[in-house]
Amino acid sequence: KQEVTQIPAALSVPEGENLVLNCSFTDSAIYNLQWFRQDPGKGLTSLLLIQSSQREQTSGRLNASLDKSSGRSTLYIAASQPGDSATYLCAVTDSSASKIIFGSGTRLSIRP
Amino acid sequence: IAGITQAPTSQILAAGRRMTLRCTQDMRHNAMYWYRQDLGLGLRLIHYSNTAGTTGKGEVPDGYSVSRANTDDFPLTLASAVPSQTSVYFCASSEEQGASGANVLTFGAGSRLTVL
Repeated sequence: KQEVTQIPAALSVPEGENLVLNCSFTDSAIYNLQWFRQDPGKGLTSLLLIQSSQREQTSGRLNASLDKSSGRSTLYIAASQPGDSATYLCAVTDSSASKIIFGSGTRLSIRP
Repeated sequence: IAGITQAPTSQILAAGRRMTLRCTQDMRHNAMYWYRQDLGLGLRLIHYSNTAGTTGKGEVPDGYSVSRANTDDFPLTLASAVPSQTSVYFCASSEEQGASGANVLTFGAGSRLTVL
């Protein structure tokens, strides 16, 4: 059974710092991995998707990496801003592409 | 605006009552999903549908049922609500299933359900 873990549950950093969020999964037979952002009281917004054959994806100040062999993904945020404050969740699609399993998220707070 | 519409946005319900959460998408996505989100537990998959006419069970299907009569609608029914079903429910859809698809998920805004 696939399990997705995100540690830490919460993180607070000063504005301008670069930071890394972590995601680990137990079954390396995945179809893809996605990173989402969730603002309080809102739905989820997809940030980046990495196919199983890819190593990383970039969008603006965000870079996501994938290492299937070790069951890990990271989301790198460069030059953090207060507007980056949100909960970030990773999700793994299983190899049959039918189920998407989420981690419990990391709540990020950027201090001005 | 293309996307997913969920209704109601919020509901308080007495235990034992029947409740249907509605989800409609206008993107012609094949796959649709229902998740519940609870503090500390993240999002857990309740049921999914890969295409109209088919459904499947997720991680926590007990006490819930779904139907997929057409591409656009994917209602979630609680036949007899219990307090442990108090949660925020999210409907989602994705464009593709299978080897060629990107499988990017689009989420609705959520339905907050309280069972007393």
